[in-house]
Amino acid sequence: KAGVTQTPRYLIKTRGQQVTLSCSPISGHRSVSWYQQTPGQGLQFLFEYFSETQRNKGNFPGRFSGRQFSNSRSEMNVSTLELGDSALYLCASGVGMETQYFGPGTRLLVL
Amino acid sequence: GEDVEQSLFLSVREGDSSVINCTYTDSSSTYLYWYKQEPGAGLQLLTYIFSNMDMKQDQRLTVLLNKKDKHLSLRIADTQTGDSAIYFCAALNYGGATNKLIFGTGTLLAVQP
Repeated sequence: KAGVTQTPRYLIKTRGQQVTLSCSPISGHRSVSWYQQTPGQGLQFLFEYFSETQRNKGNFPGRFSGRQFSNSRSEMNVSTLELGDSALYLCASGVGMETQYFGPGTRLLVL
Repeated sequence: GEDVEQSLFLSVREGDSSVINCTYTDSSSTYLYWYKQEPGAGLQLLTYIFSNMDMKQDQRLTVLLNKKDKHLSLRIADTQTGDSAIYFCAALNYGGATNKLIFGTGTLLAVQP
């Protein structure tokens, strides 16, 4: 089975711009979660989608949003980028929340 | 809120056993996990244990859970240089109010040849 794929792998944006990241889960997985990883804050949960519905949400501002499509693929959007949004964004998929398999991540640099 | 803590660094010699420790605060945690992250890569799920288990063994990996002390450990037998990575402990309160993975800060394992 193919693993979780994320595109793009690397991204450079400037402050104020917006960005959309994509995640394709493992075939058959309906749960997709997003995490932000930074050196200062570590790994933090953004949100989780299951069957196109957001089931859980972390403590991030409304600039961070996401959605899930009928084929379970998910996108994450960050609007009005700030320098502090520079991070590795990781997507994980699972049959449910109990076991989550992570993709390689998208490394975002905001200048 | 929930918290997961790990020591930051562990150095061992190739062939020795490594033991990475983790403590968590949420006694309602139902699943506990160990993930491995190599430089520039995502997280690899190594193993996990359900909260009603004390131990789980998977080849070179042994997970011990002390639910009373809220302490989790990962033992790697016959540690190899390829085991050098950051190891994250994570807890999940499945079905709870906060149904999300809470990660520790990670332990950097350095294996000396």
